Amino acid sequence: SQQGEEDPQALSIQEGENATMNCSYKTSINNLQWYRQNSGRGLVHLILIRSNEREKHSGRLRVTLDTSKKSSSLLITASRAADTASYFCATLKRTGFQKLVFGTGTRLLVSP
Amino acid sequence: GAVVSQHPSWVICKSGTSVKIECRSLDFQATTMFWYRQFPKQSLMLMATSNEGSKATYEQGVEKDKFLINHASLTLSTLTVTSAHPEDSSFYICSADTDRGRGGETQYFGPGTRLLVL
Repeated sequence: SQQGEEDPQALSIQEGENATMNCSYKTSINNLQWYRQNSGRGLVHLILIRSNEREKHSGRLRVTLDTSKKSSSLLITASRAADTASYFCATLKRTGFQKLVFGTGTRLLVSP
Repeated sequence: GAVVSQHPSWVICKSGTSVKIECRSLDFQATTMFWYRQFPKQSLMLMATSNEGSKATYEQGVEKDKFLINHASLTLSTLTVTSAHPEDSSFYICSADTDRGRGGETQYFGPGTRLLVL
């Protein structure tokens, strides 16, 4: 399977704490994207980081990418109850027909 | 902008019947559309990729005769689950790409369709 893996599978924290999720992938990539999915809903695009970038910020989100280790991390700072959702990384392959390959996801629960 | 809709949002059907799910790009032309399936508490798995006016490309293990995909216009793709069985019960999500599958950066996701086959 080409699917990436994320850890932890589930994360439970209190409001105000930071949440860190990790993603590992298997092939060379053009870019890596993070998505959020609320229960039973569609995907919301959060942030995209290209293979030649190492870090990117967007509001309370910070994403890092280490292509040598084929891994990425998503940090959500000062978490809120509304951040409760599943988070998926998705990679765009470097060669061949380009399609997104999703990771296994991290279920985040932020308690008030 | 870049809104993708799906209809219906949920459907319940009897085993053996066929179900059609529509995916529309509301304010842009989608040269490529993707269909994913997601089982409970699992990730999205790509089922097939369709380009407007041509046959869909199916992922390994996905039966093309069971999951019929039609991308007849630049704003509409349909997925028909033929002779549905309970194991086809899942969450089906489409996405649309404006760059003929080359970008990935321009893939917009629909809200999903939940299918329950009794």
